[in-house]
Amino acid sequence: DAGITQSPRYKITETGRQVTLMCHQTWSHSYMFWYRQDLGHGLRLIYYSAAADITDKGEVPDGYVVSRSKTENFPLTLESATRSQTSVYFCATSPVGRYNEQFFGPGTRLTVL
Amino acid sequence: SQQGEEDPQALSIQEGENATMNCSYKTSINNLQWYRQNSGRGLVHLILIRSNEREKHSGRLRVTLDTSKKSSSLLITASRAADTASYFCATYDQTGANNLFFGTGTRLTVIP
Repeated sequence: DAGITQSPRYKITETGRQVTLMCHQTWSHSYMFWYRQDLGHGLRLIYYSAAADITDKGEVPDGYVVSRSKTENFPLTLESATRSQTSVYFCATSPVGRYNEQFFGPGTRLTVL
Repeated sequence: SQQGEEDPQALSIQEGENATMNCSYKTSINNLQWYRQNSGRGLVHLILIRSNEREKHSGRLRVTLDTSKKSSSLLITASRAADTASYFCATYDQTGANNLFFGTGTRLTVIP
């Protein structure tokens, strides 16, 4: 049972390119989240989803797009990558709600040149 | 921002010693959670303490919460080298965006 997986694990791209980070879970948890982790900022919520076809903005949503057509997948797209989006991105799930225990994926390290 | 702040930023102890790290936050909370992150890995949930609780235990972990001081502490007893990791507190903000807000973490090193 893989639980929660993210792909790719590492990605290097150039400014202005579109990039999609994938998140897949096998638990059927209702809630899914995208965070970015930067030195000095801890983890900051980008977007979250309460169920398929329901998404909402977090603390830092600008420059990102999400979708959730299926319960198990929650892709994060950077429409036009910028250097400030260089970060480690974590996907997380929760079976209960966005303020309860969350289960994290291994992360994707994204570098924008 | 509701973001918690951990203290100290880094802590180095000998194996077998106890490790204490603190978290302060700014506004009213529903609950406070502690997570661990090993280098290069995702976060792992350790413990959740609700605003009406003062202390909670889980194995070698002891968490306290003082809502009057808006602070929490995480105590790891009889530390092991495997406890080396970063530890984050996360708060659920009732007054803001209703999301979990994470602090910047305490980096714990346990020397064998």
